[in-house]
Amino acid sequence: NAGVMQNPRHLVRRRGQEARLRCSPMKGHSHVYWYRQLPEEGLKFMVYLQKENIIDESGMPKERFSAEFPKEGPSILRIQQVVRGDSAAYFCASSPPWEAGELFFGEGSRLTVL
Amino acid sequence: AQSVTQPDIHITVSEGASLELRCNYSYGATPYLFWYVQSPGQGLQLLLKYFSGDTLVQGIKGFEAEFKRSQSSFNLRKPSVHWSDAAEYFCAVAPGFGNEKLTFGTGTRLTIIP
Repeated sequence: NAGVMQNPRHLVRRRGQEARLRCSPMKGHSHVYWYRQLPEEGLKFMVYLQKENIIDESGMPKERFSAEFPKEGPSILRIQQVVRGDSAAYFCASSPPWEAGELFFGEGSRLTVL
Repeated sequence: AQSVTQPDIHITVSEGASLELRCNYSYGATPYLFWYVQSPGQGLQLLLKYFSGDTLVQGIKGFEAEFKRSQSSFNLRKPSVHWSDAAEYFCAVAPGFGNEKLTFGTGTRLTIIP
């Protein structure tokens, strides 16, 4: 049973470009979470999605950031017009609907904005 | 709003020595508490979790944590550390059962010396 798969692992973008980060949850998991980790900081919640629904996006910046989890395919975190402050590690986690409290994390996507 | 404080940014211990990592939380209701470990360049792995019941919780890799409501603490312990325990440790709190919108502390980096 494969774990949470994130790609790309590393992404370099220039200011003003778009970044797309993908996350495939573990098999059978229908809940996906995105977290951001800035250097020397803990993880900050961004968004919680279920298939075709955004459940909680209270941690998402109001502009330039969006997330989706379509019926088919991976969850996508999209950052438009990236700025240097977007440089961070972005972690996706999934959880099954029947097991409370445990998040299974991917290895993260590290975005560097030049 | 809930918050988590990990007062120790960096701890160094000798291999074979005992370990205690501190975690204090702030939350109005019954907290759901977690400890995660992150190895360099990796995602987070759950060590243990507390929802209710016995306040001493056993986890993987020989770790345990004790919930003390009077002190708002959930400290992580291990009687004898191994070099492979070197990593970053994060304490986290969730707002409710089945809600994985975790609030993380800033982490404690553990270094093991021979």
